[in-house]
Parts: sequence; structure tokens; C-alpha cells
Amino acid sequence: NAGVTQTPKFQVLKTGQSMTLQCAQDMNHNSMYWYRQDPGMGLRLIYYSASEGTTDKGEVPNGYNVSRLNKREFSLRLESAAPSQTSVYFCASSEWAQVQETQYFGPGTRLLVL
Amino acid sequence: AQSVAQPEDQVNVAEGNPLTVKCTYSVSGNPYLFWYVQYPNRGLQFLLKYITGDNLVKGSYGFEAEFNKSQTSFHLKKPSALVSDSALYFCAVRDMYNFNKFYFGSGTKLNVKP
Repeated sequence: NAGVTQTPKFQVLKTGQSMTLQCAQDMNHNSMYWYRQDPGMGLRLIYYSASEGTTDKGEVPNGYNVSRLNKREFSLRLESAAPSQTSVYFCASSEWAQVQETQYFGPGTRLLVL
Repeated sequence: AQSVAQPEDQVNVAEGNPLTVKCTYSVSGNPYLFWYVQYPNRGLQFLLKYITGDNLVKGSYGFEAEFNKSQTSFHLKKPSALVSDSALYFCAVRDMYNFNKFYFGSGTKLNVKP
């Protein structure tokens, strides 16, 4: 039982390049999330998916796209990376129907955009 | 709108002393509150939660939190700090109108000195 896994762990991009961050969970959760973490700003929600086939915008969706490939996998794509997207990205999952359920986080992807 | 605030960027405490990490919330209705801990280069880990019931909630690693409705606070506490407790701590509130959304505080860095 691996929980939430993310790939890659670290990535350097040049401005304008594209990349996809991968996330998978093995807890059979319906909901999955992408956050970015910046110093002094906590975690900010980029996109979330309440169930397979649905996605919704969070607080900071501009410059990102997501795909809920199936119940296990939720990917985040940067089409044209910008230095402002330098951040640590976390994927999480949760069982949304249970109010007492917490979120489970992956180990993060550190992205540097030059 | 739902939100949480962590008024202290950093808390310093000596090993063996009690520690408190502060969190205040702003929600309409009953809050669903969580504490998470983040060790360096790791994802967030769940510590404890308040959904309903007793105002004193016990969690992992000897941590507890006191829910105070009149002061809209949910402070994290531990009677005797360990050096290994040094980490970044986040308070979060679940959106009661959309269980898929969590709002995080900016984080508090806890430094426990030997």
C-alpha cells in the first residue's frame, strides 16, 4: 500500500517548456487534488477532481491543466512553464463523502523554471 | 468564505517545555478542522482533526488540540516538546459547503532546541 505517489521528484525546466506531473493513489479515493506550496503562503489549491471524469478549478488554476485519467491517476500539465510556476507541487487524495476524512499527501515534486 | 490563520511564522521552544502552535479560523457554521505536519522534503502528514464532540482532541505523536468556539481557535499543543518535533505545521479547515475543498494556513515553523 504505497498511498499517494508522485513523479518526478524534481524537475528543471526552461521558460516555455511543457511538462506533466503524474500522481497516483491506491486507496480507492474518489477525490484527488493538486496544490502548490510557496514560502509563507501555505498550500494553495490548483485543481481538484471530485470523481473520475470531473475536474474543477481551485484558487490558482491559471497556467495549468489537469486530467483525471481514471480513479487512481490525476495528472497536472504545465503547457508553457513560467518562472512564477517555480514551486513545490503536492498531490493529495481524500474520500470526499466522509466529512471526517483527511487528505493524504504525496511526497511532492520540486519544480524549478529558469 | 472559509479560512484559517496562523499568526506566528515561527515558534521556538526548548526541549521538554510545553509547546503551542496557534490557529484561528473563520467559517460560517460548524468547522471541520485539521492539523498537519511537514518534515523537510516530505509531504504533509495528518496529525489530528476536530469534527464534533470533545473540545480537546488527541492525535499522533503526543499532540493534542483545543477547539474553542468562542475564540474561534484550534491551537495545537504538546506537554513536552522533543527535538524531533521540529517541523512545519499547518492548520486547515474543510469547506462545509464543498467537502472537496480544504483551506490551509500559511504554516508555522516549530524549532525545538536541545
